[in-house]
Amino acid sequence: QVRLQESGPGLVKASETLSLTCTVFGDSISSSLHYWVWIRQPPGKGLQWIGSIYYSGTTHYNPSLKSRVTISVDTSKNRFSLKLTSATAADTAVYYCARGGTSGNEPSDFWGQGHLVTVSS
Amino acid sequence: QSALTQPPSASGSPGQSVTISCSGTRSDVGDYNYVSWYRQYPGKAPQLMIYDVTKRPSGVPDRFSGSKSGSTASLTVSGLQAEDEADYYCSSYAGDNIVIFGGGTKLTVL
Repeated sequence: QVRLQESGPGLVKASETLSLTCTVFGDSISSSLHYWVWIRQPPGKGLQWIGSIYYSGTTHYNPSLKSRVTISVDTSKNRFSLKLTSATAADTAVYYCARGGTSGNEPSDFWGQGHLVTVSS
Repeated sequence: QSALTQPPSASGSPGQSVTISCSGTRSDVGDYNYVSWYRQYPGKAPQLMIYDVTKRPSGVPDRFSGSKSGSTASLTVSGLQAEDEADYYCSSYAGDNIVIFGGGTKLTVL
């Protein structure tokens, strides 16, 4: 069974960089040929797709966040990461990592439990 | 890309059917048959219920069905059960390996 687990600070100061890591269990990032995805959900609000990465390092980002987002992959540790620069209170959210499909148009079938990040001023 | 439009709430009595709409544009829902639906219980991660407009992942009851007409997709839950009470989100492929979500619909079982 595929399982994903987010980790990182739960509190980030405004203007600093939000950094999270997602470790994958039960699947291999380098050999499964899936995309790996970050999605977030502000408290009481809906889901927002942040971006995705392929094992090769190819990335795709939400245009509204593209200037601040970097997603990277470490196949040796079977994990991928998210960095969001210049954080503001609007970036306070539960951040989910998920496994996407083998092409960019496929849905996310396995999700992490989510990790709340609060941006404080 | 703007978020897809969903009604904020929907409701039905046990045993009834309820349909939740998801309105997009010709650049997303209207252009691709890659609409998915997720169910989310409070404090939990979303769970995939429908993909490619009409397909159900293994383990999802056939009470859940999806459809699409033009730029609007729909999720129908038949034979409503108490456990169906949750938030439901649609998502659509929008080209260039980008995905957009709807604002979510809170389904209440009366």
